Amino acid sequence: ETGVTQTPRHLVMGMTNKKSLKCEQHLGHNAMYWYKQSAKKPLELMFVYNFKEQTENNSVPSRFSPECPNSSHLFLHLHTLQPEDSALYLCASSRDYGGGELFFGEGSRLTVL
Amino acid sequence: AQKITQTQPGMFVQEKEAVTLDCTYDTSDPSYGLFWYKQPSSGEMIFLIYQGSYDQQNATEGRYSLNFQKARKSANLVISASQLGDSAMYFCAMREGWQTGANNLFFGTGTRLTVIP
Repeated sequence: ETGVTQTPRHLVMGMTNKKSLKCEQHLGHNAMYWYKQSAKKPLELMFVYNFKEQTENNSVPSRFSPECPNSSHLFLHLHTLQPEDSALYLCASSRDYGGGELFFGEGSRLTVL
Repeated sequence: AQKITQTQPGMFVQEKEAVTLDCTYDTSDPSYGLFWYKQPSSGEMIFLIYQGSYDQQNATEGRYSLNFQKARKSANLVISASQLGDSAMYFCAMREGWQTGANNLFFGTGTRLTVIP
């Protein structure tokens, strides 16, 4: 079992749908992250949570809404997405905010039709 | 300007040979950390190796070593004795302000390595 688990692994949704991505980490880490990975582009940091508090929001459109109910769980709520939002969404955690390497999940492959 | 540059979109290496994946970085912060991650087709980003800007010696982890040339701002990954399972995307990343606790982590665009039997 990996330390960071993401579900679903694949998601296809229409532009008017509402869906959520889930991330769970079993490593006892305090910081959790959402990254977007598009083809031939560097990973883009979307959100960072430290001890359940959002510490960074990198100008992400409001159609992406994160939620962190506790240090082990992170959600990304999706609504009225655009086709250009199709990408691999990676969740990661680290021991502390700004410290230690990131541990990633396997990602959720999102396709917006 | 790009913080991390990986100029090799794709690389091929014969099984059991060594291969070097290039990475250059751009920062004016004296304190930073450099990382390499491997991403197989499954999607998970796997941490491979880390080098701190103040480390005197090049980092090594098993078959992975980091050729750190600070003056040239390069942090190339060397994989020795390549195996078929090494075929994957490899990403170089940098965290600025490493010792100040800042959380600016920048990734390159990656290099796809294919190991040929």
